[in-house]
Amino acid sequence: ETGVTQSPTHLIKTRGQQVTLRCSSQSGHNTVSWYQQALGQGPQFIFQYYREEENGRGNFPPRFSGLQFPNYSSELNVNALELDDSALYLCASSLMTGGGYGGELFFGEGSRLTVL
Amino acid sequence: RKEVEQDPGPFNVPEGATVAFNCTYSNSASQSFFWYRQDCRKEPKLLMSVYSSGNEDGRFTAQLNRASQYISLLIRDSKLSDSATYLCVVVDRGSTLGRLYFGRGTQLTVWP
Repeated sequence: ETGVTQSPTHLIKTRGQQVTLRCSSQSGHNTVSWYQQALGQGPQFIFQYYREEENGRGNFPPRFSGLQFPNYSSELNVNALELDDSALYLCASSLMTGGGYGGELFFGEGSRLTVL
Repeated sequence: RKEVEQDPGPFNVPEGATVAFNCTYSNSASQSFFWYRQDCRKEPKLLMSVYSSGNEDGRFTAQLNRASQYISLLIRDSKLSDSATYLCVVVDRGSTLGRLYFGRGTQLTVWP
C-alpha cells in the first residue's frame, strides 16, 4: 500500500451541509494534493499544500478549502454542499524538493462523498 | 477544451490479445507524461512514465509523439488482471506543483 490514509472512506451528506475530509501523508512526504473524481471522469486537481500553505489551486470555488498541519497531514473542507460535489475525493502525497516538480504522487484510497 | 482527451472505451478483449490506448493533450508546453492504472473503486496507481524515445516495461509499451501531442499505451498478451481503467496523465512545463492533468480514463476488460 501507499502509506497514504484517508478518512472517512464513505459518507453521505445533504445539500447545504459542510464536510471535512482527512488525509495522512506517506512518511517523509511534505506535500499533499487533493483531487476530485466524479463518476466516469478522471481526477481533477483541487489544490495542493506545501509547508502548511496552499501552493496552487485548480478551478474550484472558494467553498473548497483546506489545511495542512505541521505533521504534513491535511484536511479538505467543503461548505454549502451541492449535488455535483458527489464524487471520490483523493488525497495524494509527494516529496517536494527545492528544485521543482516533486516526483511521483502516491494516492490514498479516497473518500467517497454522496450529497443528497 | 480539455487538457487531456482519451477514448473512454470500453475495450473488451480476450486473454492474450494486444490492445492499444491513445490519448491527446492540448498544451504543447507539457513536460511529463504518465500512464496510471485505476482498479474499480480504488485509487489511481502509477503504471509507467512515458519518454520521448518510447519505453517498455514487460508487456507494456508507451510512446510519445510531441509533434502530434499524442501518447499511446500498448499492452501485449493481455491478462485477466489487466482489467482496469487506464488514465493518461500530463504535467505542464514549469509546474513546480506536480499538478497532474488526468484524462477521463479508458476502461479495459480482459475476458477468459
